[in-house]
Amino acid sequence: DVKVTQSSRYLVKRTGEKVFLECVQDMDHENMFWYRQDPGLGLRLIYFSYDVKMKEKGDIPEGYSVSREKKERFSLILESASTNQTSMYLCATKPTAGLAETYEQYFGPGTRLTVT
Amino acid sequence: QKEVEQNSGPLSVPEGAIASLNCTYSDRGSQSFFWYRQYSGKSPELIMSIYSNGDKEDGRFTAQLNKASQYVSLLIRDSQPSDSATYLCAVTPYSSASKIIFGSGTRLSIRP
Repeated sequence: DVKVTQSSRYLVKRTGEKVFLECVQDMDHENMFWYRQDPGLGLRLIYFSYDVKMKEKGDIPEGYSVSREKKERFSLILESASTNQTSMYLCATKPTAGLAETYEQYFGPGTRLTVT
Repeated sequence: QKEVEQNSGPLSVPEGAIASLNCTYSDRGSQSFFWYRQYSGKSPELIMSIYSNGDKEDGRFTAQLNKASQYVSLLIRDSQPSDSATYLCAVTPYSSASKIIFGSGTRLSIRP
């Protein structure tokens, strides 16, 4: 079974703090993703990484950065947390597609971040 | 136009009936389609994947794909209260096989 873990289930931070959210997977998947999920807005992709040290911006990268120094670990960084970054943050992993089909994403349990 | 569109609901279905969830997508070249279930406060979990036109059945769940109409649906037979959740439709776009685009989800409520 794929196991995706996130460093915290709940986190409360103050405005202006630097926040690190960490995701670790144990299935040797090449691709890792960070989403945020807000009521009525669905899952929105922040960043994804398809290899170590490689990253691509998603739909809403502003105010975030990422780091992938090892294949199994993908970190999301809020450089200076703001109240509008209060949200559920979900990490996901996915193996690279074969020729015939693609594969589903596997999600971590999520981190509910509150910025006060 | 959103890349993946779903009716947000809520969709209310009596226990034991068939629940029908629908999704349309804009990228005609999309190849892979997924249905995820998400309980409140939890992360999404995959329940069905479908890659070719037609029906795919797994227990009480049937996924239906019509690429010509750019339409994918999920049928849940003999609906149970435990099926009450938000259902997310997801599509792999032709432009990037590494990514998955999610719809905003349909909230399903099974009433006793």
